[in-house]
Amino acid sequence: RKEVEQDPGPFNVPEGATVAFNCTYSNSASQSFFWYRQDCRKEPKLLMSVYSSGNEDGRFTAQLNRASQYISLLIRDSKLSDSATYLCVGRSSASKIIFGSGTRLSIRP
Amino acid sequence: EAQVTQNPRYLITVTGKKLTVTCSQNMNHEYMSWYRQDPGLGLRQIYYSMNVEVTDKGDVPEGYKVSRKEKRNFPLILESPSPNQTSLYFCASSWGGLYGYTFGSGTRLTVV
Repeated sequence: RKEVEQDPGPFNVPEGATVAFNCTYSNSASQSFFWYRQDCRKEPKLLMSVYSSGNEDGRFTAQLNRASQYISLLIRDSKLSDSATYLCVGRSSASKIIFGSGTRLSIRP
Repeated sequence: EAQVTQNPRYLITVTGKKLTVTCSQNMNHEYMSWYRQDPGLGLRQIYYSMNVEVTDKGDVPEGYKVSRKEKRNFPLILESPSPNQTSLYFCASSWGGLYGYTFGSGTRLTVV
């Protein structure tokens, strides 16, 4: 089993829709968690950290469920500019970061 | 501006010709890391460094070398590149602990 697993998608949703991604992790990737966004052929960029209490940043909400070992990302009122690949990331130690394979999201007008 | 700078952005080389990809960060981060990204395989860690003169292997270190003589620089060295090292490479740096990594813009390497 992969240490961090995501549904690769693609998710194709209309502009304005709410979309949610889930990501499951194994114990080895369990210190801290992040969501990254990656545009085609560009570098991954940190979208948000994920805290046990859940956290929100504008239209984006991240949740961590340690009991079930999953992380979620919710995007409300999706925009065309949200089209990208979203990477779920677990940090097992100060030096070890484990990336999921990414979920492709495409927002259509 | 806080950033991680990689050079070159694009490189085409021939099998066996030694090359170095440079990486520099201006954020005084202790942790630096190299990743390669291949279709269907995602991002895989090559080497990482926790501080000056402290480096260790990641998941796919074969065929690569690194050095960390200064805190800001973390070059990736391919002593004898082979076609299976054709990939998109990213350098990244971090404070460590609960912080995420900041990535460079990437180096697209083609070995023919």
